[in-house]
Order: sequence, then C-alpha cells, then structure tokens
Amino acid sequence: AAGVIQSPRHLIKEKRETATLKCYPIPRHDTVYWYQQGPGQDPQFLISFYEKMQSDKGSIPDRFSAQQFSDYHSELNMSSLELGDSALYFCASSSGAKLFFGPGTRLTVT
Amino acid sequence: GDSVTQMEGPVTLSEEAFLTINCTYTATGYPSLFWYVQYPGEGLQLLLKATKADDKGSNKGFEATYRKETTSFHLEKGSVQVSDSAVYFCALSDRSVEGSGYALNFGKGTSLLVTP
Repeated sequence: AAGVIQSPRHLIKEKRETATLKCYPIPRHDTVYWYQQGPGQDPQFLISFYEKMQSDKGSIPDRFSAQQFSDYHSELNMSSLELGDSALYFCASSSGAKLFFGPGTRLTVT
Repeated sequence: GDSVTQMEGPVTLSEEAFLTINCTYTATGYPSLFWYVQYPGEGLQLLLKATKADDKGSNKGFEATYRKETTSFHLEKGSVQVSDSAVYFCALSDRSVEGSGYALNFGKGTSLLVTP
C-alpha cells in the first residue's frame, strides 16, 4: 500500500541558508501535518493543512512557512536556518483521525 | 493546554517479561488517545488507539485501555520480544478544542530495550 513520501530523506545546510522539504500524502488523504522532532525529543506539531488551506498552527517559527498544493502535496520552507533547526521533520497525512507518518527528513544545519 | 505525561525510560526488560508503560493525560475535552512506536532510524507508526472512555485498543499483543476516571492510557504487553525494542510515544488529539483538528500532542517517549 502507498505510504507518505518525504523528500529529501537527508539534507545538510549551513546557517542562514534556506531549505525546502516536500511531502506527498497517501492518495485521497486531504490533510497534511508537519512535525519537528529534535534529537531525543518528542515530535512537536508545527502546522497542518486541510484541502489546501491552513487548518491548525502549532509551534512553527516565523522563519518557516508551508503550503499545500492542488495535488495535495505539501512543502515546508525554512529560511535563515539556525543550528537549533537540526531535527527530523515528519509529515503525516490523514482523511480523518488516523494519521499516517512519513519516514521523515533529517535536516542537519552546520 | 492538553498534554500527555508518560513514564521516563529507558526501560530494560528480558525477553518474555511483562511490559507496562504508564501514560496519563490532561485534556479539556474528550480526547482520542494513541500509542505510536518508533523503531531506530524510522518514522512513527500507529500501534493502537482508543477514541472514548473504556475503549481498549490492541495490536501485535499490545493493549491499552482508555480510563477516564484515572485519565490514563497505560500500554501493556504480556510477553515482550527483542523485536519490540523501540521508543513508544503516548499521544492525544482533542478535536473538541477549537482549531485543534486531529493534530497530536505527544508525550516525551519511553525507550524500551528488550534483551535476549
């Protein structure tokens, strides 16, 4: 069965650079969620989209933005990267209460 | 706000031992409760869930019962295997809170190591 796809799987950036993470939800799922998981930490909810509109907002920094496109894929744009942004970024999709998580993108900021 | 508290790890058990990982929650409404498992280097996988009081979620030998009176959702397994070694996250979503959607609040995670 198709799962949530995230790309890239690994990304290395320098401080003050920008990064774009992509998420392709499971077909027919209309909601996408973004989570950030720091080393040894629990996942923190960043933002979600339902039918291409922002539906909920969590602890997403102002330097980050995201959107969901007409094909339901989503992109998380991160600017002015800081060392503390180094984390695993998960995308999840759902068509209801059950969230399916992608494998994550590991971002390392040097 | 809504939150989840789970026992700190790491938890180390011998194969075939009984497992309990405690989880309690604080919520303003009527949350749904979940256990997710994260194997080393992998993403989060839903292990089981319960959507209302007294519901019991179960999967792969793991069980958890939604206890409203004690605001708990403890994870149990009667006989653990080496392959159960992973980090376990308790989580809740409270759709009754305006704007919360189905976004999950996670606990800090409990690392489980099962030795042969």
